[in-house]
Amino acid sequence: GENVEQHPSTLSVQEGDSAVIKCTYSDSASNYFPWYKQELGKRPQLIIDIRSNVGEKKDQRIAVTLNKTAKHFSLHITETQPEDSAVYFCAATASGGSYIPTFGRGTSLIVHP
Amino acid sequence: GAGVSQTPSNKVTEKGKYVELRCDPISGHTALYWYRQSLGQGPEFLIYFQGTGAADDSGLPNDRFFAVRPEGSVSTLKIQRTERGDSAVYLCASSRDRVTDTQYFGPGTRLTVL
Repeated sequence: GENVEQHPSTLSVQEGDSAVIKCTYSDSASNYFPWYKQELGKRPQLIIDIRSNVGEKKDQRIAVTLNKTAKHFSLHITETQPEDSAVYFCAATASGGSYIPTFGRGTSLIVHP
Repeated sequence: GAGVSQTPSNKVTEKGKYVELRCDPISGHTALYWYRQSLGQGPEFLIYFQGTGAADDSGLPNDRFFAVRPEGSVSTLKIQRTERGDSAVYLCASSRDRVTDTQYFGPGTRLTVL
């Protein structure tokens, strides 16, 4: 089955800095890669996703890049703000079968004011 | 419109008891997923429904766990003879259909087995 590795487990930055979270996956059939933000005690919320037919997608301060050859994808947050502090999860989903995403273990992002 | 809802938000039970957790997906979403999330971990897949049928139940840890979705909308996750290791947050998610893939999560049910 799919295996997703996510790094780092914890990331501490100063307000205004950029933050980068990286994930690797093992199943070359995976073609959909969502990123979720989960605040303490809240539900995971989709913040951005990318499909394998594109290499980059951007939404305001958030961007995701995908390297299919190397089987890794990354989340980039620019101009971080304290409200960006949360746990971020990446996931990889293969189109064949049941569209079940495999999640990474999460990155706790702390943005210091 | 209304998002995914789950009840109860918290459930405390004793070892050996039976529990039911409910999920109300977004109206019109045919796909429904159950996950389990332990502290410091990402969501772990349990079961996926497409309509009324379980399309994939490979994530259910053992036969104490069972889920239904009789009318293709509300789903119930049932856990028999609960064990302390079952303590976790149980998340439900729904998506419009398998092609879309984007999943919307509910707030979860925090299950504590004493």
